[in-house]
Amino acid sequence: KAGVTQTPRYLIKTRGQQVTLSCSPISGHRSVSWYQQTPGQGLQFLFEYFSETQRNKGNFPGRFSGRQFSNSRSEMNVSTLELGDSALYLCASSWGDRGNSPLHFGNGTRLTVT
Amino acid sequence: AQTVTQSQPEMSVQEAETVTLSCTYDTSENNYYLFWYKQPPSRQMILVIRQEAYKQQNATENRFSVNFQKAAKSFSLKISDSQLGDTAMYFCAFMKQGSGGSNYKLTFGKGTLLTVNP
Repeated sequence: KAGVTQTPRYLIKTRGQQVTLSCSPISGHRSVSWYQQTPGQGLQFLFEYFSETQRNKGNFPGRFSGRQFSNSRSEMNVSTLELGDSALYLCASSWGDRGNSPLHFGNGTRLTVT
Repeated sequence: AQTVTQSQPEMSVQEAETVTLSCTYDTSENNYYLFWYKQPPSRQMILVIRQEAYKQQNATENRFSVNFQKAAKSFSLKISDSQLGDTAMYFCAFMKQGSGGSNYKLTFGKGTLLTVNP
């Protein structure tokens, strides 16, 4: 069974631009979550989607948004990029409706903002 | 809100020896899950082991085992017979238990960088 796939692996953008990251979950998984990983703040939860609905959101500004499609694939968008948005963005999928379902992570997208 | 603390930023161990990574957490929840994930240089976060808080028995997965002390809110990871491939960043993580969307959110510690030396 294929794992969680994130594209692209690397992105370089300039301040003020916007960016879209993509995540394809494990087949059958309906929950997709996004995390930001930086050396200073560590791993921080961005948001989680289940069956196209955002169920939970972390403490990030409105520039960070996401969506989930009917096939459970998810995209994350960051508008008006700032230098501090440089990070590894990790996507994770799970069944989403089974209590102890663990999260399975992708390899991440490394975003660099210059 | 939950917090997870890993007090050891870095650790090293000789190949074939045993090492224990520490994790403490703070929560007012009674039902929850705890996880250890490893992140090698390839960046992918890999689940090592998980523990349901309602289970008194400590979880074990091959060379990996945990010491779960619910009253002390402690969740340490023991790696036996360490191998070079165990070199990675290890993260302790907390998840609330319950129905609905609130539980599919992991709170991570800052991580412990483990180096296994030959």
